[in-house]
Amino acid sequence: NAGVTQTPKFRVLKTGQSMTLLCAQDMNHEYMYWYRQDPGMGLRLIHYSVGEGTTAKGEVPDGYNVSRLKKQNFLLGLESAAPSQTSVYFCASSHPGLADYNEQFFGPGTRLTVL
Amino acid sequence: GEDVEQSLFLSVREGDSSVINCTYTDSSSTYLYWYKQEPGAGLQLLTYIFSNMDMKQDQRLTVLLNKKDKHLSLRIADTQTGDSAIYFCAETAYSDYKLSFGAGTTVTVRA
Repeated sequence: NAGVTQTPKFRVLKTGQSMTLLCAQDMNHEYMYWYRQDPGMGLRLIHYSVGEGTTAKGEVPDGYNVSRLKKQNFLLGLESAAPSQTSVYFCASSHPGLADYNEQFFGPGTRLTVL
Repeated sequence: GEDVEQSLFLSVREGDSSVINCTYTDSSSTYLYWYKQEPGAGLQLLTYIFSNMDMKQDQRLTVLLNKKDKHLSLRIADTQTGDSAIYFCAETAYSDYKLSFGAGTTVTVRA
């Protein structure tokens, strides 16, 4: 199993450009999450999904959109990138039915720089 | 999310014990976790504790939970160079599978 994979690993954008980050998991997990990691701030939840076709806002959703058209994929879109969106983005997945403690499995991250 | 706080840096000598501390504010927390992030990688679950426990031991790792003071700690015995990483404290409430993370403690192990 590949686990959770993210594409791309690195990206540099200019202000105003758009892009989509792709997350894929092969563990048949129901829940998927997008976080951003900034120095001194830990991980903050952007959006999450509790199943195919459903999405919900997290702590910092402004400027991002998501889609979960297939159970194994969770896409994060930036319609008009801003320098404040420079960050490392992590995708995670979990399956609450597997164990009460609901371990989240993380991808390797995408480092995004917006100039 | 609710606030989770931890100190940002810890330096420890190889072979000594490391203790990383965390405080949280959500009284409805049911599970508390320690995740480890190695350089350039994603987070991996290191250990967790259910809120009705006050201690959990797993090989070199000891987790202590003081629910009254909302204080969580992770002790790593016989710290090795491979333990150099960022350690995140996180919590969740039973009805909500979202995690709230602390800012992470960077542990540096020196020879």
